[in-house]
Amino acid sequence: DARVTQTPRHKVTEMGQEVTMRCQPILGHNTVFWYRQTMMQGLELLAYFRNRAPLDDSGMPKDRFSAEMPDATLATLKIQPSEPRDSAVYFCASGPGQGKTEAFFGQGTRLTVV
Amino acid sequence: GEDVEQSLFLSVREGDSSVINCTYTDSSSTYLYWYKQEPGAGLQLLTYIFSNMDMKQDQRLTVLLNKKDKHLSLRIADTQTGDSAIYFCAEISAGRDDKIIFGKGTRLHILP
Repeated sequence: DARVTQTPRHKVTEMGQEVTMRCQPILGHNTVFWYRQTMMQGLELLAYFRNRAPLDDSGMPKDRFSAEMPDATLATLKIQPSEPRDSAVYFCASGPGQGKTEAFFGQGTRLTVV
Repeated sequence: GEDVEQSLFLSVREGDSSVINCTYTDSSSTYLYWYKQEPGAGLQLLTYIFSNMDMKQDQRLTVLLNKKDKHLSLRIADTQTGDSAIYFCAEISAGRDDKIIFGKGTRLHILP
């Protein structure tokens, strides 16, 4: 049963700490997305990778956020230092690419920064 | 740049039809999608429509596409409490490196 796996599912951290969220895309998928979801802002695109190359990270605060794909089976999203306003659910999604492509979403990481 | 807009909230009485609307800006969109997110879960594809179609029906779901006005809608007939969720409109365009653009989501609330 192929699925996108995100870890951790929940994270509570203190302001100023580094947070790392991990995503394992579906094997063979070549597009990876990171989204942030809040009640007030809805779903926001943070970063987009295709064939492990970052193609769009315009939605990501560059001073504290970074996204990488060290290999095809792992995508990471780091926040350093974290702030209370970063509290949200962070979703990773992957897709097979090639035009008509459905994005498959992970269950999300619920981040709370206190 | 590309954008997808939808209202954030919609309330509907149980048994009535729900209509969720979406507008988009990219005139070269090839596929348009509706995703559903239930509480505590990720988004799942509900249905999609190819850009050369103007309607698609699947049981209680009807998708209407007005390509001239760049308007997409999702109609849910006989809305049930189990339809309570957040619905996301999304689109993909050829030549945009397979990037899917999502709207912020419409939270559907069912009134008894």
